[in-house]
Amino acid sequence: GIQVEQSPPDLILQEGANSTLRCNFSDSVNNLQWFHQNPWGQLINLFYIPSGTKQNGRLSATTVATERYSLLYISSSQTTDSGVYFCAVPYWARGNTPLVFGKGTRLSVIA
Amino acid sequence: ETGVTQSPTHLIKTRGQQVTLRCSSQSGHNTVSWYQQALGQGPQFIFQYYREEENGRGNFPPRFSGLQFPNYSSELNVNALELDDSALYLCASSFRTSGTDTQYFGPGTRLTVL
Repeated sequence: GIQVEQSPPDLILQEGANSTLRCNFSDSVNNLQWFHQNPWGQLINLFYIPSGTKQNGRLSATTVATERYSLLYISSSQTTDSGVYFCAVPYWARGNTPLVFGKGTRLSVIA
Repeated sequence: ETGVTQSPTHLIKTRGQQVTLRCSSQSGHNTVSWYQQALGQGPQFIFQYYREEENGRGNFPPRFSGLQFPNYSSELNVNALELDDSALYLCASSFRTSGTDTQYFGPGTRLTVL
């Protein structure tokens, strides 16, 4: 099955710093999603981004489908950005669900 | 619009017991997927239900089973619990369309097997 790899596994930032999280996937996909998991376990949808670039406030994401990777940018990080960031791609060639997740990047933002 | 809800929040069981976890889909959604998230790992797909029928399954043994009801709520049943079943169990609902469905996750049930 498709493999999803995320890097780095852990990241510690000073508040206000910028960061880039990377997601590589082993096969062509028709969908890619980024999630943030808060300390209580809730997964929150950040981006649905099969290709191109999207921005939402201090967060933006870029997917280069032909090269099988996606990047999540966090600018001016805040302590509330702490948590685990996952990227996920469809489990099957058809449809967008269910999903295969990477192991995540654990982000800690320090005041 | 009501989001995805799960119950119970936490659960402690002993090895060999059986457990049932419940999920209420987001209003208007007809598809439910269940995931298991072990500590330090990403969620892993268990199975998916669409219109009350199992629509596909990940690499989990038959002692993991499920149901989806006419109101699209769902149950995950695990028999003969093992210590490795300790995990956060997440359900996610979506509305099946022509391939643009997006999943929304519930808060999860944290299961501890002693």
